[in-house]
Amino acid sequence: AQKITQTQPGMFVQEKEAVTLDCTYDTSDQSYGLFWYKQPSSGEMIFLIYQGSYDEQNATEGRYSLNFQKARKSANLVISASQLGDSAMYFCAMREGDSSASKIIFGSGTRLSIRP
Amino acid sequence: DSGVTQTPKHLITATGQRVTLRCSPRSGDLSVYWYQQSLDQGLQFLIQYYNGEERAKGNILERFSAQQFPDLHSELNLSSLELGDSALYFCASSVADEVVANEKLFFGSGTQLSVL
Repeated sequence: AQKITQTQPGMFVQEKEAVTLDCTYDTSDQSYGLFWYKQPSSGEMIFLIYQGSYDEQNATEGRYSLNFQKARKSANLVISASQLGDSAMYFCAMREGDSSASKIIFGSGTRLSIRP
Repeated sequence: DSGVTQTPKHLITATGQRVTLRCSPRSGDLSVYWYQQSLDQGLQFLIQYYNGEERAKGNILERFSAQQFPDLHSELNLSSLELGDSALYFCASSVADEVVANEKLFFGSGTQLSVL
């Protein structure tokens, strides 16, 4: 069965510092995709970054990068030069398989608070 | 704006009642997902439809049902409501072509259900 684990319920980080949000996953499938979403206090879900199981390089999107360690089954999100607007809930998610029937499951989230 | 429309935004009802939540996916998206987010919790996958057919099922209660219509909009029906059903219900859509490992979900703004 799929499983996503985010072990940090909450984090406080000083503005302009880098922050790493942890995510580990469990799957027996060889083909899967990993996602990170941001949920600000307004409630909407915002896609941040994607990493495929066969991608050899770590994904990057602006200030976001994904530290993908396949053997350890971890997909940590790194935010460089954090900003006040980064304060939000962050969810790691996984799609197992590559068919139109593959569901995406989410971790329990990490609440990130950026201190000025 | 993600292009996914959910109505209503807020819904207040009483225990034992039945409600219908509506979702219109992005233009061209064939797949619709429903998620439940209880207070300060992660997103729980409920059900997925692809082009009118149920494709994946999560921990959806028997009191809950969903369907996707020929015009691809979807409805989530919640019946015999209980206090614990109070949550934010998200709909998300994706194109869901055959090679879908990197297909990200586009989320609606959610329906906040309050059962009193």
